[in-house]
Amino acid sequence: EDQVTQSPEALRLQEGESSSLNCSYTVSGLRGLFWYRQDPGKGPEFLFTLYSAGEEKEKERLKATLTKKESFLHITAPKPEDSATYLCAVRPSGNTGKLIFGQGTTLQVKP
Amino acid sequence: NAGVTQTPKFRILKIGQSMTLQCTQDMNHNYMYWYRQDPGMGLKLIYYSVGAGITDKGEVPNGYNVSRSTTEDFPLRLELAAPSQTSVYFCASSPTSGGTGELFFGEGSRLTVL
Repeated sequence: EDQVTQSPEALRLQEGESSSLNCSYTVSGLRGLFWYRQDPGKGPEFLFTLYSAGEEKEKERLKATLTKKESFLHITAPKPEDSATYLCAVRPSGNTGKLIFGQGTTLQVKP
Repeated sequence: NAGVTQTPKFRILKIGQSMTLQCTQDMNHNYMYWYRQDPGMGLKLIYYSVGAGITDKGEVPNGYNVSRSTTEDFPLRLELAAPSQTSVYFCASSPTSGGTGELFFGEGSRLTVL
């Protein structure tokens, strides 16, 4: 069964305190791992797609990495505006385009 | 620059009532999806469609129905609403190929069943 597990569920950081979010997955034929950001009351917004182990993507203070079993979202020197829920999702084999989501990590960055 | 538009944004239903959540996209995407999001549970796929006239069940389809008569529209029908259907519903779309393969989400429809 395709499954995505994120940890921790919640994370509180001080501004400037770097950390990492974890996404562990089991999937039949990975066709992409996706990271999304979701602000309260809004729909998820796309951040990154990773396709193969060893791949890395960066955007401002965020860097996503991928291994064969998990992905990490590294947050370097976070700011309060980085506070949000971060969702990880995988696309299994097939041509439906659908994503299987984890439960998310809610990040709070205090000034 | 509309993207994916969902209506209504908020709705309160009584147990046993029925309603339709509307979803329209203007990006000419073939793939469309309905997810529900419960607190701490992530997004669960209800139904999806790979093109006009084609729909299929996701992880949690019970109590819902969909149709896809046009590329743009993908309404979600709730029949005989139950308290377990209290949730936030998101519609999303994606292109068949090209790009990064991401889903484009609407703003969500918050449904409460009392």
